[in-house]
Amino acid sequence: NAGVTQTPKFRILKIGQSMTLQCTQDMNHNYMYWYRQDPGMGLKLIYYSVGAGITDKGEVPNGYNVSRSTTEDFPLRLELAAPSQTSVYFCASSGTGLGLNEQFFGPGTRLTVL
Amino acid sequence: AQSVTQLDSQVPVFEEAPVELRCNYSSSVSVYLFWYVQYPNQGLQLLLKYLSGSTLVKGINGFEAEFNKSQTSFHLRKPSVHISDTAEYFCAVSSSGNTGKLIFGQGTTLQVKP
Repeated sequence: NAGVTQTPKFRILKIGQSMTLQCTQDMNHNYMYWYRQDPGMGLKLIYYSVGAGITDKGEVPNGYNVSRSTTEDFPLRLELAAPSQTSVYFCASSGTGLGLNEQFFGPGTRLTVL
Repeated sequence: AQSVTQLDSQVPVFEEAPVELRCNYSSSVSVYLFWYVQYPNQGLQLLLKYLSGSTLVKGINGFEAEFNKSQTSFHLRKPSVHISDTAEYFCAVSSSGNTGKLIFGQGTTLQVKP
């Protein structure tokens, strides 16, 4: 049981490039989330999904897109990378019922945009 | 709207001393409260959570927190810290809705000195 896995661990992009951050969970969780973490700012929600085919915006969605074609996968897409997107990105998942309120986090992707 | 304020950005403490990390929240509805810990270069791990019932909540690694509704606080405590407790700690709040979305505080870095 791997939990939540993210790839890549590190990435350097040039301004204007695009990339997809991968997230997979093997706990059969319906709910998945993408956060970004900036120093001294805590974690901010980018997008979330309550099930396959259903996604919605969080606090800071601009510059990002997501899709959820399967229960397991929730990729985050950056179309035109900007220096403001330099951050650490975390994917998380949670189950239903009372389990909805505990999120399990992946190890993170550290992204630098130059 | 909900918000979370962690009152200290850094807390230095000597090994075996007690520690309290402070968290205040604001919300117009019933909330669920959480403390997560992030060790260096890792994802977040749940320490403890308050959903309902007893206001004193015990978590992993000897940590506990007390929910105080009148003061809208959820402070984290440990009677005797170890070097291995050095990490960043995040307080988070979730409303009793059906998406499980979390609002995080800015984080408190606990530095345990020998």
